[in-house]
Amino acid sequence: KAGVTQTPRYLIKTRGQQVTLSCSPISGHRSVSWYQQTPGQGLQFLFEYFSETQRNKGNFPGRFSGRQFSNSRSEMNVSTLELGDSALYLCASSPHGNTEAFFGQGTRLTVV
Amino acid sequence: AQSVTQLDSHVSVSEGTPVLLRCNYSSSYSPSLFWYVQHPNKGLQLLLKYTSAATLVKGINGFEAEFKKSETSFHLTKPSAHMSDAAEYFCVVSTTGGSYIPTFGRGTSLIVHP
Repeated sequence: KAGVTQTPRYLIKTRGQQVTLSCSPISGHRSVSWYQQTPGQGLQFLFEYFSETQRNKGNFPGRFSGRQFSNSRSEMNVSTLELGDSALYLCASSPHGNTEAFFGQGTRLTVV
Repeated sequence: AQSVTQLDSHVSVSEGTPVLLRCNYSSSYSPSLFWYVQHPNKGLQLLLKYTSAATLVKGINGFEAEFKKSETSFHLTKPSAHMSDAAEYFCVVSTTGGSYIPTFGRGTSLIVHP
């Protein structure tokens, strides 16, 4: 079974731009969650999608949004990028959520 | 509300000696608890999980953890460290049922000396 795939692996953007990150979950998994990892704040939960609906949301501003498609693939969008958005963004999938999650390798976003 | 405290930011051991990574949690509901490992430039890999079954949980690569409700702890142990165990370890709590919003500890960096 293929694992969780995140694209792209690395990204450099300019402050003020927007960015879209993609996550393909393990086949059959309906829950996809997103996380931001920074040296200062550690790992923080962004949101979870289940069957195309946002089911849970962490404490991030509205500039961070996401969506999930009917094939369970998910995208995360960050608008009006700030320097502080530089981070490793991790995606994880699980069959139903609230169980162990399987993580992708992440997308490293650098905002300059 | 829930929170996780990993009591050590760094733990240094010699190869072949025991490993202890400490985690305390706080949760208003019955918790699910997890330990994940992250090697450099990699995603997180699940080591083990506790979801209200046996309090002693065995995971991959010889790791195990014991859920102690009275102490609100979920410490990770391994009898004998290998060089390949050097990585960042995260303790995670989420609530069973209801909303799934995991809370991660700040991580413990395990250093293994030859």
